[in-house]
Amino acid sequence: NAGVMQNPRHLVRRRGQEARLRCSPMKGHSHVYWYRQLPEEGLKFMVYLQKENIIDESGMPKERFSAEFPKEGPSILRIQQVVRGDSAAYFCASSPGTGGGQPQHFGDGTRLSIL
Amino acid sequence: GESVGLHLPTLSVQEGDNSIINCAYSNSASDYFIWYKQESGKGPQFIIDIRSNMDKRQGQRVTVLLNKTVKHLSLQIAATQPGDSAVYFCAEIRGNAGNMLTFGGGTRLMVKP
Repeated sequence: NAGVMQNPRHLVRRRGQEARLRCSPMKGHSHVYWYRQLPEEGLKFMVYLQKENIIDESGMPKERFSAEFPKEGPSILRIQQVVRGDSAAYFCASSPGTGGGQPQHFGDGTRLSIL
Repeated sequence: GESVGLHLPTLSVQEGDNSIINCAYSNSASDYFIWYKQESGKGPQFIIDIRSNMDKRQGQRVTVLLNKTVKHLSLQIAATQPGDSAVYFCAEIRGNAGNMLTFGGGTRLMVKP
C-alpha cells in the first residue's frame, strides 16, 4: 500500500504527558499537511510542511504543539503536556505539489485519547 | 466561513436512486474544490475535484457541479450503492490562503437496501 501511513492508529495518554504522532507521505510527495477532527465535524487545518521547512502553521495552537518534517524519516506532530481538550482524530495528508490538480491524499489518522 | 455543528445533516436514499449532496462556500477567491468521502474510522478519501474555471466535471458515477454565481457546489452520485454510505465533505482551497484545505461541515449519506 503506497498510501499515506500514520502511526499509531490509537494513542492513549494521561494529562501532562507528551504525544508523538507520525506520518509517512505517499511516495513522491514532498508536501505534508496535518489536520484535526472533532466528532461530527469537518477537518481543521493545523500546519503545512515541506522537507525541513514549515510553510504555514496558521492553524497550530501557539503553545504545546509543534511539527517537523525532517530530511529523512516521517513527519512528526508533537503535543506536549496534553490536556483533555487535545482528544481528537489527527489526520495527515500529502500531495506532490500545490494548487489545483494536486489533491491532498489522507491517511487513516491517529485517534488520541487523553485520560 | 467554516461550518461547525454537533449533528451532521443526513441524506437517506434508496439503493439505486441518484443522490445529490450540496455545499455552500463563502469565499469568492476560492479556486479549487474537492469532494471527499469519509467512512467510519478512516481518513477522507478523494472522490473528485474541480477548478473554478469549470462548472462541471464527471467521474465514474459521480458528477461535481460548481455555480460560482451563488457560491454553490454539488456532488451527484448515480445509482447509489450501499458502499456509498459515508460522510461527504466538500473542501476548498482559497486563492489567498496558500495550500490549506478549508472543509465544510459534512453530510451523512445513508443508503437503504
